[in-house]
Amino acid sequence: GAVVSQHPSWVICKSGTSVKIECRSLDFQATTMFWYRQFPKQSLMLMATSNEGSKATYEQGVEKDKFLINHASLTLSTLTVTSAHPEDSSFYICSARTGTNVLTFGAGSRLTVL
Amino acid sequence: AQSVTQPDIHITVSEGASLELRCNYSYGATPYLFWYVQSPGQGLQLLLKYFSGDTLVQGIKGFEAEFKRSQSSFNLRKPSVHWSDAAEYFCAVGAGSSASKIIFGSGTRLSIRP
Repeated sequence: GAVVSQHPSWVICKSGTSVKIECRSLDFQATTMFWYRQFPKQSLMLMATSNEGSKATYEQGVEKDKFLINHASLTLSTLTVTSAHPEDSSFYICSARTGTNVLTFGAGSRLTVL
Repeated sequence: AQSVTQPDIHITVSEGASLELRCNYSYGATPYLFWYVQSPGQGLQLLLKYFSGDTLVQGIKGFEAEFKRSQSSFNLRKPSVHWSDAAEYFCAVGAGSSASKIIFGSGTRLSIRP
């Protein structure tokens, strides 16, 4: 079946640095990918919709200059957390549409900002 | 606005016992409904989905869910749980045109008593 791969699965960084998370669709093309954020013991909150070859669409309240999304190819979307701070520590999950109204999720990337 | 409510934060059942996880949704039209499962530190796996047709939907791992429009519910059931079913379960509704966005409930954590 379709697989969505995220890398890295776990990253620690210092406050003020930037971190890039990759989301790849394996063996299929994804014109649209979605980025979610999940706080401990909470649900997933949609951050943005990533569209290949165009600007991402951000949900209300999500800082687009803070969370840079690039979808330069049909198999890769990246999320860059710029000038990260401890409050940005979270579990970030991407997904891609793999069927009619069906999403396949990556395994997630845990970010810890010191 | 579309929303999903999972009233039970945490449920514990004995291995071999039956299970029902509750989900209520708010949506103006016929909803696209999903149940996902998340193991600790992992992404989400689709258990089952409802788009139309038969209101009793069969999924993977022996799960099923029943769509009840009159009650705005989509409860997840399993006749006999296994220790490996311990996880976080999310109900979700597809929102927007062609369910382009997935809105998640707050999740129910399932623990299995030996």
